[in-house]
Amino acid sequence: DQQVKQNSPSLSVQEGRISILNCDYTNSMFDYFLWYKKYPAEGPTFLISISSIKDKNEDGRFTVFLNKSAKHLSLHIVPSQPGDSAVYFCAVRGAGSYQLTFGKGTKLSVIP
Amino acid sequence: DSGVTQTPKHLITATGQRVTLRCSPRSGDLSVYWYQQSLDQGLQFLIQYYNGEERAKGNILERFSAQQFPDLHSELNLSSLELGDSALYFCASSVAGGKNTDTQYFGPGTRLTVL
Repeated sequence: DQQVKQNSPSLSVQEGRISILNCDYTNSMFDYFLWYKKYPAEGPTFLISISSIKDKNEDGRFTVFLNKSAKHLSLHIVPSQPGDSAVYFCAVRGAGSYQLTFGKGTKLSVIP
Repeated sequence: DSGVTQTPKHLITATGQRVTLRCSPRSGDLSVYWYQQSLDQGLQFLIQYYNGEERAKGNILERFSAQQFPDLHSELNLSSLELGDSALYFCASSVAGGKNTDTQYFGPGTRLTVL
């Protein structure tokens, strides 16, 4: 049973518009949430994270929102650029746990 | 470049064989993690080592084992290989033990193909 779900396998967005990637999790004990970006033939690259004590974290064009009551995490990219085209994975970690649990990823295509 | 290196980049072998994957963490990082990514799957956590000792275990098969050496590099050993072991194997490293806000940085991966 998947503990972390990214329900959209793919997303296409026009350059300059907002990209919104979503992630749902099942366990309310998760307390740290991350987004990774992955280009083909490369390893995942850390993008941004948020702890459960916050509901928003911003870093440049990237903002992560956490809705604990809905067990929902989202990543907003504004404005989207063609170089943002990649697979995005959300990952979660439980309190007191060392391991990350990943979603299956969403492939973002930013169209020029 | 994350600073984590993995060798080899590609590995092709036959069923029943044994292979060793190698990972060098970022300078200063004490923890090494191994993940497996099969087709259409997210990354599955296999095992973590911290400063030479096993710290956490995930979905790692008994045919697989790992170790971390005094210079902090790590090796993942896969034996009695089956077709289903074909996957991308990623290594990640982090500064500390992995709890709280410790961020994991990933290497480029080793693509294993079992024929």
